[in-house]
Amino acid sequence: GAVVSQHPSWVICKSGTSVKIECRSLDFQATTMFWYRQFPKQSLMLMATSNEGSKATYEQGVEKDKFLINHASLTLSTLTVTSAHPEDSSFYICSARRMGGSTDTQYFGPGTRLTVL
Amino acid sequence: DQQVKQNSPSLSVQEGRISILNCDYTNSMFDYFLWYKKYPAEGPTFLISISSIKDKNEDGRFTVFLNKSAKHLSLHIVPSQPGDSAVYFCAASGSQGAQKLVFGQGTRLTINP
Repeated sequence: GAVVSQHPSWVICKSGTSVKIECRSLDFQATTMFWYRQFPKQSLMLMATSNEGSKATYEQGVEKDKFLINHASLTLSTLTVTSAHPEDSSFYICSARRMGGSTDTQYFGPGTRLTVL
Repeated sequence: DQQVKQNSPSLSVQEGRISILNCDYTNSMFDYFLWYKKYPAEGPTFLISISSIKDKNEDGRFTVFLNKSAKHLSLHIVPSQPGDSAVYFCAASGSQGAQKLVFGQGTRLTINP
């Protein structure tokens, strides 16, 4: 199988603080990881693409200075929500792309529920 | 601009019957398609994928059909089981999956006993 973990699974923080979310591929190496957020009853929206050893590529409308992404190794990417505000409250999900054969597939972590008070 | 659309927000099927979930796309550059299953407060679980060079891919109870001319794909689950109740997302990408995934809005499937 292809297992991706996220930590923490949920976090509650005060407005103005920063929160770091980790995404790990446990049994494979991932040169590319993706960060999504999902609002209630909506689809997953891609925030950024994280490539190991290089800067992340952010989607239009996503503030790179607010959502800091670091892909330090082939199995770990982190998302830091800086100076969090209540509107940042959401479900954040990472995925890791597993290379194999003629095509590759993204495997998702379990998600992190962020609540900003 | 919604490039991947799942027009049915919900679907209810009796246990043992076939569940058919539909997905349409508009971008002709998409060449790789995936279906994911998602429970509340969890990440999506990969179910099955299909490359544009094929029109059908089967894995156990799950079969995905691709109609490139109609830009339409469907997921068939047979027989449907209560544990299949979840939200199903279709997703598409270009370059054999090497690019980012674009997700549909999801369809909530409920299997009734």
